[in-house]
Amino acid sequence: DGGITQSPKYLFRKEGQNVTLSCEQNLNHDAMYWYRQDPGQGLRLIYYSQIVNDFQKGDIAEGYSVSREKKESFPLTVTSAQKNPTAFYLCASSSGRAVGEQFFGPGTRLTVL
Amino acid sequence: GESVGLHLPTLSVQEGDNSIINCAYSNSASDYFIWYKQESGKGPQFIIDIRSNMDKRQGQRVTVLLNKTVKHLSLQIAATQPGDSAVYFCAENTGGFKTIFGAGTRLFVKA
Repeated sequence: DGGITQSPKYLFRKEGQNVTLSCEQNLNHDAMYWYRQDPGQGLRLIYYSQIVNDFQKGDIAEGYSVSREKKESFPLTVTSAQKNPTAFYLCASSSGRAVGEQFFGPGTRLTVL
Repeated sequence: GESVGLHLPTLSVQEGDNSIINCAYSNSASDYFIWYKQESGKGPQFIIDIRSNMDKRQGQRVTVLLNKTVKHLSLQIAATQPGDSAVYFCAENTGGFKTIFGAGTRLFVKA
């Protein structure tokens, strides 16, 4: 089955530690995205990538980093510089047309202890 | 900045009734709108979309209406079922890769 996978589903981290969230897709999509979701709020864009080896900052990129070495993979690192990292993180992909439906993964819930 | 918002954060309907979820957008340049459904602990799922050159689009049990004059978008769900209980997001796109999402409306379906 084609789709997007994110791992792990739940992640706990101590303050001051970096952590990397995995996102893999087998939809052959060019574009991939990372969003953050806080309770009672909509999705906010962290980073997006239109093509391999290229990515752009979204609205809340501070304290996060990404890489796009392969078309299928778009890992997100939450660094210790992110002041309030506890949130639900969603990865998405789209076919690469600028306008179109995004397909979402199941999400990773990160909790900083 | 430009934003997409919702009038009602929570909507409760009786099973079998029709549901209407509303959304206001502020960017008059937006030309593509999407409704997503998000169940608890899961990622959003695409429901239906509409482009700015249309006023109405119908899917299976769902209809999206777009009123560009007042920058208003609505999602109508016919014969609402318990499985429709979720948070519904509207989203807008101005033609680039960035999509702006609203805060969401939680729909409760009473049996």
